[in-house]
Formats: sequence, C-alpha cells, structure tokens
Amino acid sequence: SQQGEEDPQALSIQEGENATMNCSYKTSINNLQWYRQNSGRGLVHLILIRSNEREKHSGRLRVTLDTSKKSSSLLITASRAADTASYFCATDAEGAQKLVFGQGTRLTINP
Amino acid sequence: DTGVSQNPRHKITKRGQNVTFRCDPISEHNRLYWYRQTLGQGPEFLTYFQNEAQLEKSRLLSDRFSAERPKGSFSTLEIQRTEQGDSAMYLCASSKTQRLNTEAFFGQGTRLTVV
Repeated sequence: SQQGEEDPQALSIQEGENATMNCSYKTSINNLQWYRQNSGRGLVHLILIRSNEREKHSGRLRVTLDTSKKSSSLLITASRAADTASYFCATDAEGAQKLVFGQGTRLTINP
Repeated sequence: DTGVSQNPRHKITKRGQNVTFRCDPISEHNRLYWYRQTLGQGPEFLTYFQNEAQLEKSRLLSDRFSAERPKGSFSTLEIQRTEQGDSAMYLCASSKTQRLNTEAFFGQGTRLTVV
C-alpha cells in the first residue's frame, strides 16, 4: 500500500511561478525523499531529508519536513517548462528496508 | 554510462505467455529493488535483494512472479502465465548502502503490455 499521499494530484502553473507540492505519510521515518519522473521514464532522485532535519535546499528546490505532522513539502521556485513532470515523495520508514512511494503530483508548467 | 540498465524497454506478449526482464544495477551497489507502476500511480514495491539474498517480497508478488539475483549482480524478474492485469511499467532500482540513507538509482523501466 502507498505510505505517502501527495497533494495536489495535479498542478498547472505559469512559467516563472513557484510550485508547491505536499506529502503526508503514516509511520515514523528515517528519511523522506523526493523523485521526479518524466512521462514514460524512470525516476530521478531530487533530494533527501533526514528525520532530524527540518529544511533542505538544492538549487531551486526547497524541502521541508514536519515529523510531528508527518508531512513534507517540495517547493520549486521560478518554474521552467522543463520542470513539467510527475513528482513523488518516498519514505524510508523505521524498520522497513525499502522506499514506499506516494501516488505523485503531476506538475504542468505552461510557457 | 554506468547507471541502472533494464532490458527490454518494451515487451508486448500474449496472455498466458511467460516473460523475463533483466536489470543490471550500478556495479558497486549491493541493494537491488523491483517496483511496478501503473498509469497515474506511484511505484509499488515488489521485492528487494541484499547481494544475492532476496530479503522481502510484497504480497503483490503472486506465485506467478519470481525474481533472482544469482551472483549478487544482475537480477531477473519472471512472470509466468501473464494476465492482462500484469500490464505495467516494471522498474528496477539499486543503492549501495546497508541502510537506505542515500538515494536509490532507477532504471528506465520495462513497459509490459499483455494482449
């Protein structure tokens, strides 16, 4: 079963705007990861945030983690057409030995 | 390029036939995962290997599914007596750490269509 639930399921914005996606999960985690998937392709790792971290940056990406609410957000600033893709959060739960993915957010950047 | 390689990229088969997919992980990675993804959904865990040992199998992996990693390097996933419901993208990923505290590297996937 899916652990993470992304919100919204789909998001369409204009190029240059910021995009925010949220992820909620159910169990205690070691870390949470975000991946991007272009249509029909494999997943590409974007960023990992550990359970003892609250915020992390990588280029135009900012990830936050609130373990008390069991939620995370991914912010993409100054979006570009090339950011159009599906974005998934994945959790490495305590005691588990695998990543469990949410259903993803489909992001469309309109030129 | 020494990324994760999956073959074939696409497979069309008739219902009832057997199919086998191959995954070549990044060479120094000792963890190898198989996931299945259907349209509009996130990847669902199927099974994983630590070196050559298969340590966990999902309930999604029915008796028709079998995976091997004979020498702790490449892995194969076989589906016997395929059904239309098996149509999906099958993704392989690898990682190098004992604990999953680093990223997993995914292959491009094998898209299976059962007709």
